[in-house]
Amino acid sequence: KAGVTQTPRYLIKTRGQQVTLSCSPISGHRSVSWYQQTPGQGLQFLFEYFSETQRNKGNFPGRFSGRQFSNSRSEMNVSTLELGDSALYLCASSLQGTGSLHFGDGTRLSIL
Amino acid sequence: TQLLEQSPQFLSIQEGENLTVYCNSSSVFSSLQWYRQEPGEGPVLLVTVVTGGEVKKLKRLTFQFGDARKDSSLHITAAQPGDTGLYLCAGVRSGGYQKVTFGTGTKLQVIP
Repeated sequence: KAGVTQTPRYLIKTRGQQVTLSCSPISGHRSVSWYQQTPGQGLQFLFEYFSETQRNKGNFPGRFSGRQFSNSRSEMNVSTLELGDSALYLCASSLQGTGSLHFGDGTRLSIL
Repeated sequence: TQLLEQSPQFLSIQEGENLTVYCNSSSVFSSLQWYRQEPGEGPVLLVTVVTGGEVKKLKRLTFQFGDARKDSSLHITAAQPGDTGLYLCAGVRSGGYQKVTFGTGTKLQVIP
């Protein structure tokens, strides 16, 4: 069974640019969550999507947005990038949004 | 605000030693999960504890959920280099759909 796939694995951007990250969940999983991981703040929840609807949102500015498609694949967009957005962005899927989270290996975003 | 505090933050021990990692909160959770994350990879679920006072064993790892469902501990017996990684606890709140809050993390290094 294929795991959660995140693309790209690495990304380098400059301040002010925007970026789109992609996440393909495990087949059959309808819930996709996004997390930001940094050494200082740890793993911070961004948002969760279930059946194309955002069900839950963390405390991040509006520059961070996401969406989910009918096949459960999800994208996350960050606009007007800031140096502080440098982080590992992790996507996790689960069957119904309950139970265990299955994580991808993340996208490492570096802002210059 | 970090709801789940883990201690210690860092731990470097020799192979064969025992260790305990603590996860504490002032909030009550419906369940508590433990994940391990290795460099360059996403977190992987180790265990979920649901009942207050519950103890679960996974080979050399013993997980305990506090009676009040506010805290948890992870004990590793005879640590091995393969145990090296970042250990994350995650508190789960239910209510229509689950909300997961991750702890601050404990970075463990086991030296051969």
